[in-house]
Amino acid sequence: NAGVTQTPKFRILKIGQSMTLQCTQDMNHNYMYWYRQDPGMGLKLIYYSVGAGITDKGEVPNGYNVSRSTTEDFPLRLELAAPSQTSVYFCASSQLGLAGVGAYEQYFGPGTRLTVT
Amino acid sequence: QQPVQSPQAVILREGEDAVINCSSSKALYSVHWYRQKHGEAPVFLMILLKGGEQKGHDKISASFNEKKQQSSLYLTASQLSYSGTYFCGTPKVNAGNMLTFGGGTRLMVKP
Repeated sequence: NAGVTQTPKFRILKIGQSMTLQCTQDMNHNYMYWYRQDPGMGLKLIYYSVGAGITDKGEVPNGYNVSRSTTEDFPLRLELAAPSQTSVYFCASSQLGLAGVGAYEQYFGPGTRLTVT
Repeated sequence: QQPVQSPQAVILREGEDAVINCSSSKALYSVHWYRQKHGEAPVFLMILLKGGEQKGHDKISASFNEKKQQSSLYLTASQLSYSGTYFCGTPKVNAGNMLTFGGGTRLMVKP
């Protein structure tokens, strides 16, 4: 199993450009998440999905969009990139939490380091 | 609401012990602990569910007191490999089990 994979690993964007960060998991997890982590800070949830076709906003969704057409893939779209979106982006996945609230660990991808100048 | 971690940073010598605390202003159903080494992704350490249980992972253990709405991570006889940033995460009910992470505790273990 590859786990959670993300592409690209690094990217530099100019202000106003757009791009899609790719995320794929091969563990058949229903739940998938996108986080951003600014330097020296914690993780902030951007969007999450509880299954194919179902997505919802997290804490910091402005400037981003997501879609989930398959169980495996959860791409994150940045429209009109701004310097404030310079960050490291992590995708994660977990099993369905039937055993209780927050009962399953999240598996993180290696991250995408994005710089907007 | 983000859980609060303390201390923000700790410097230890190899073999010393440390405690990292995580507290919430809201009722907790579970607490997750993750460790992130510099330049890497967070890695899962353990989950503590309601019931005041303790868990262990090598020489790292944790407790969870849902009445006090807090959890503590205990690192015993620290090793150089323990260096990194430790995050606690608390789930939001009816929100896809999404986690709200604390600000992190930076741990540095020196020889």
